[in-house]
Amino acid sequence: SYELTQPPSVSVSPGQTASITCSGDKLGEKFTFWYQQKAGQSPVLVIYQDAKRPSGIPARFSGSNSGNTATLTISGTQAMDEADYFCQAWDRSTVSFGGGTKLTVL
Amino acid sequence: EVLLVESGGGLVQPGGSLRLSCEASGFTFNTYWMTWVRQAPGKGLEWVASIDQDGSQRHLVDSVKGRFTLSRDNAKKQLYLQLNSLRVEDTALYYCARSDQGWRAGNYYYFMDVWGKGTTVTVSS
Repeated sequence: SYELTQPPSVSVSPGQTASITCSGDKLGEKFTFWYQQKAGQSPVLVIYQDAKRPSGIPARFSGSNSGNTATLTISGTQAMDEADYFCQAWDRSTVSFGGGTKLTVL
Repeated sequence: EVLLVESGGGLVQPGGSLRLSCEASGFTFNTYWMTWVRQAPGKGLEWVASIDQDGSQRHLVDSVKGRFTLSRDNAKKQLYLQLNSLRVEDTALYYCARSDQGWRAGNYYYFMDVWGKGTTVTVSS
């Protein structure tokens, strides 16, 4: 199976920029997707095809993907952004998720 | 409004069976791949299975092959997951998700754009 690695936790102050990484072998050659999961809720897609935002997702969410690392960036982080974030990619007929990163807004 | 509503979860003993269902509404069900993803208590997301629009292509994670069966009924707009020979480690919240897939710039992509609220499966003696 294709392994995606995320840091377990990231902390950020309100109004600052949060960056969450996702690493995998030649990940930049694949499309990466990001999901936000708030406590007790279902996951929500926040970034698709590396850098696109679904309708309704604030512009402060952005993504990039190059080399072996994809990055989810949240600019001007708000308290409501506190959540678990999961990256995801497709490889050889299987869906792979990263282990998830808990974003804490201090 | 696009909605996915899962049902069929419950408490079952090891070795037992359950049939999960996912009822879809608000979109043309037979034009989408569909996916099951599970989440064990306090853990991350784990992909379980995906099925194409007419059920001719099915992909399952290795840990459930031979035990879980994926199917769909497009006329009823329902997705199913038959869980047999259940193990304690299958305990999780099972999500149904609508999926989008295709090719772009020479790369294949697959992702889940709408998720249900999930149904809980507990395997315990």
